[in-house]
Amino acid sequence: QLELHESGPGLVKLSETLSLTCTVSGDSISSTRFYWAWIRQPPGKGLEYIGTMSSGGSSFFNPSLKSRVTLSVDTTKNQFSLRLYSVTAADTAVYFCARQHYSTSWEIDYWGLGTLVTVSS
Amino acid sequence: SYELTQPPSVSVSPGQTASITCSGDELGNKYVSWYQQKPGQSPLLVIYQDALRPSGIPERFSGSNSGNTATLTISGTHTMDEADYYCQAWDSSAAVFGGGTKLTVL
Repeated sequence: QLELHESGPGLVKLSETLSLTCTVSGDSISSTRFYWAWIRQPPGKGLEYIGTMSSGGSSFFNPSLKSRVTLSVDTTKNQFSLRLYSVTAADTAVYFCARQHYSTSWEIDYWGLGTLVTVSS
Repeated sequence: SYELTQPPSVSVSPGQTASITCSGDELGNKYVSWYQQKPGQSPLLVIYQDALRPSGIPERFSGSNSGNTATLTISGTHTMDEADYYCQAWDSSAAVFGGGTKLTVL
């Protein structure tokens, strides 16, 4: 059974960098069938796509966040990571990591439990 | 940028059929997925490739997509189906989510 688990600081200061890691168990992150994604959800609001990355280095981003986002994959640890720079209060959200099918439909079939990150001044 | 529009809320009586729409420009030319999210939980994939159900999703969940509108249909709605539902498509190498629809079963 695939499991994804987000980890990282729950509190980030204004203008600093948000860093999260997702640890994958039950499947290899090197699989060519899947990509690995980050999605966030501000409190009480809807889902917002951040970006997707393959173990081979291909990546896709939400255009509105692309300039502030870096994605990376560590196949030796079966982990992938998100860095979001210059955070503001609007970046306060639950951040989910997820598995995304490399297919014509790009559906997301497994999600982590999510981790709340609060941006503070 | 591409946008998907959903009604903020839909109400249905138990046992009746609920329909949740998702609208976007030429959406019928793209594949749509649907996710169910209950309070405090992660989203759950309930429909992918417009109309396919993942293993373990009840048959009462179905989907369609044509023209500018995709529709998630829940037949014989159960009280346990009360949740937020999100549509999602892939456009210009990025995922796009609809704003979400709160389904109330009462």
